[in-house]
Amino acid sequence: QKEVEQNSGPLSVPEGAIASLNCTYSDRGSQSFFWYRQYSGKSPELIMSIYSNGDKEDGRFTAQLNKASQYVSLLIRDSQPSDSATYLCALRDVIKAAGNKLTFGGGTRVLVKP
Amino acid sequence: EAQVTQNPRYLITVTGKKLTVTCSQNMNHEYMSWYRQDPGLGLRQIYYSMNVEVTDKGDVPEGYKVSRKEKRNFPLILESPSPNQTSLYFCASSFGLAGANTDTQYFGPGTRLTVL
Repeated sequence: QKEVEQNSGPLSVPEGAIASLNCTYSDRGSQSFFWYRQYSGKSPELIMSIYSNGDKEDGRFTAQLNKASQYVSLLIRDSQPSDSATYLCALRDVIKAAGNKLTFGGGTRVLVKP
Repeated sequence: EAQVTQNPRYLITVTGKKLTVTCSQNMNHEYMSWYRQDPGLGLRQIYYSMNVEVTDKGDVPEGYKVSRKEKRNFPLILESPSPNQTSLYFCASSFGLAGANTDTQYFGPGTRLTVL
């Protein structure tokens, strides 16, 4: 079992709809969770971080964390064609992992159709 | 402008010809790391450095070397490249506040390497 699991997609959503992305992880010691957006051929760009159970909202993005169930999700409201990208879930176990190592999922490709 | 830079951005080489990919950051970050990204495998850490002269292996270090002689630079060295090292490489850096949840990693633009 991979440490961080994501559905590879593509997740196709119409413009203006909500895109819902999920990520499950196996390491119960993980404390920090991140969502990165990556356009094709470009570097990952941090869009959300979450450290506590519950929801965290930033603009059109909402991250949700449930440590008991070991999943973290990302909602993109009012999806725009510019949101078409691959979304990478990453986590860090600051106790177990040396330094600041991030463990990444394989990413979910999102396609927003006009 | 705060940034992580990598050079070259694209490189095609042949098996066995030594190469170096440079990485530099201007944010006074202590922590630097190299990842490779392959289809279906996501980003995997190659090596990382907690500070000057402090480096350690990540998940996939075989075939790679690094050095950290200065805080801002963290070059990745392939002594004898092989075709299985064809990949997209990213350098990343952060302040490296050990144990701090809020530390954020910033990625360079990537280097696409092809080994023939």
